[in-house]
Amino acid sequence: SQQGEEDPQALSIQEGENATMNCSYKTSINNLQWYRQNSGRGLVHLILIRSNEREKHSGRLRVTLDTSKKSSSLLITASRAADTASYFCALDSGAGSYQLTFGKGTKLSVIP
Amino acid sequence: KAGVTQTPRYLIKTRGQQVTLSCSPISGHRSVSWYQQTPGQGLQFLFEYFSETQRNKGNFPGRFSGRQFSNSRSEMNVSTLELGDSALYLCASSLPGLPYEQYFGPGTRLTVT
Repeated sequence: SQQGEEDPQALSIQEGENATMNCSYKTSINNLQWYRQNSGRGLVHLILIRSNEREKHSGRLRVTLDTSKKSSSLLITASRAADTASYFCALDSGAGSYQLTFGKGTKLSVIP
Repeated sequence: KAGVTQTPRYLIKTRGQQVTLSCSPISGHRSVSWYQQTPGQGLQFLFEYFSETQRNKGNFPGRFSGRQFSNSRSEMNVSTLELGDSALYLCASSLPGLPYEQYFGPGTRLTVT
């Protein structure tokens, strides 16, 4: 099964700035999800975007999906120190696969 | 609702031993998935269970096995532990149906010495 690839691998920004991370993939998807993981802990679901959607918002999060380019981006606006975490995109290929395929993540550091 | 719980949270084992990890899903969630997370390989899918049946399996050797009980609780077992099995093992549960959105537990940190 395919794996998403996040870019950049690491990102360091000042508090209040915006953070953008990207995810690229290779084959068709049913939906794409973004998860956050604080150091050594479980993952928390952030947002899901279906293959027929182009943009979705949730609080300070904005996700876009371009199926023609097979890429997605996650924008976190007005970042806070508490946003420091690793962010993963997860691909749901549908078709009864019953699994999500995760990328290796973007490690975001927000400096107070 | 209580979240996904995993026990134990930390475990130290010796090469050659076996280990059993437990996962209790969110009430009402009948799908349970297991993942292995290591710094080098990232998050890798182990297997998924629904109504006591394994529906999908990742690319892991037969030393890794799992099962699900009628109350949806799940266990995974690793036999003949190797140093490379040291990892964070994450369990996630999902509601039946689509979309396939997962709720993760805190993980079990396994160290093999």
